[in-house]
Amino acid sequence: AQSVTQLDSQVPVFEEAPVELRCNYSSSVSVYLFWYVQYPNQGLQLLLKYLSGSTLVKGINGFEAEFNKSQTSFHLRKPSVHISDTAEYFCAVIPTGGGNKLTFGTGTQLKVEL
Amino acid sequence: EAQVTQNPRYLITVTGKKLTVTCSQNMNHEYMSWYRQDPGLGLRQIYYSMNVEVTDKGDVPEGYKVSRKEKRNFPLILESPSPNQTSLYFCASSLSRGVPNTEAFFGQGTRLTVV
Repeated sequence: AQSVTQLDSQVPVFEEAPVELRCNYSSSVSVYLFWYVQYPNQGLQLLLKYLSGSTLVKGINGFEAEFNKSQTSFHLRKPSVHISDTAEYFCAVIPTGGGNKLTFGTGTQLKVEL
Repeated sequence: EAQVTQNPRYLITVTGKKLTVTCSQNMNHEYMSWYRQDPGLGLRQIYYSMNVEVTDKGDVPEGYKVSRKEKRNFPLILESPSPNQTSLYFCASSLSRGVPNTEAFFGQGTRLTVV
């Protein structure tokens, strides 16, 4: 079984400041890793994913994440946030051996303030 | 446009009154699933379907039913809703298992209140 931990339920940050949203996972098998974003009153959309290869992956809207296998982490970063980045962010995993079931973390609410 | 469509978006109902939330996708995806989202718990899978007529329980299936008679549709049925099923529900679809480039597409969500 897999589990995903997002320790920060809320992260307030000022506009144009950098931000890091933390994600750690636990799994007995190797996994693919994802970050999804949920804007207010909308469904989730894929921000970025790590399947294999380079551990630094870039996504939409200037976000990037780095896979660290030894620390079982997949932290999301953005060097300069905008008001429009205010949303809830979910980290998720799927086993590489097959299956489509996403196991989600509990989410981090990013609030960007002026 | 690729999309997953859920209806209704908002629903208030009374305890025990059967209801159905519809979900339809236009991407010819084989895998579809239902999640519920609750504060502090993230998204939890209710049921999933790997193809037509193939469904199985997720992590929190109690009180729910599903059917998959056509590839594009995957309705969620609450035979006798209770207040603890008040939640935000999402339908999602993706390509079949074993495809590494798996991206799930989500509907807009259905906010259900059971009084």
